[in-house]
Amino acid sequence: DTGVSQNPRHKITKRGQNVTFRCDPISEHNRLYWYRQTLGQGPEFLTYFQNEAQLEKSRLLSDRFSAERPKGSFSTLEIQRTEQGDSAMYLCASSTPGTGRFTDTQYFGPGTRLTVL
Amino acid sequence: QKEVEQDPGPLSVPEGAIVSLNCTYSNSAFQYFMWYRQYSRKGPELLMYTYSSGNKEDGRFTAQVDKSSKYISLFIRDSQPSDSATYLCATLIQGAQKLVFGQGTRLTINP
Repeated sequence: DTGVSQNPRHKITKRGQNVTFRCDPISEHNRLYWYRQTLGQGPEFLTYFQNEAQLEKSRLLSDRFSAERPKGSFSTLEIQRTEQGDSAMYLCASSTPGTGRFTDTQYFGPGTRLTVL
Repeated sequence: QKEVEQDPGPLSVPEGAIVSLNCTYSNSAFQYFMWYRQYSRKGPELLMYTYSSGNKEDGRFTAQVDKSSKYISLFIRDSQPSDSATYLCATLIQGAQKLVFGQGTRLTINP
């Protein structure tokens, strides 16, 4: 399977605990994105990497959130001191730059569903 | 006000019907317009994308963009039960990487 993979698929944690999610992009894709999707809403952008450089962060990404992509391949998203409001689906996407006026297509993984009790 | 507004539905139609899904947006800088399909507990899957105004057709699906009214549409002809999913419109400013999504419309096609 050459799609975007995410682990774990589900995570249940208690308020105040730290959690870490992993995303493995499509192998030739140098761009990687994290989005958050709450129930009944569309995904919201969190952050974006080109290779190992984190180029954009949303203000949704509070100081409790940190994302890394140390070798420009897989990425991790860590949430410290989780709160009930962090309960959501965390989606990862990857792409390769488009050419000319064609933007790149972001391919999404299946997501990690986080429940904070 | 959200940058992209989409009626969340739910929308329920009989098999074979023509389905019309719509979004409006507020930022005139948006240049790319996408439709994603998301099945329950799965990630979004790109259906179609359009650059600027105009129509684009792919099989049973037609996407329309009217930049003058900031209106995005997706039409599904001969709808099938397998089309039952949440449909998300998304927009992008040229040169930017942040997709801005609508809320999603939950669609059910009844056999």
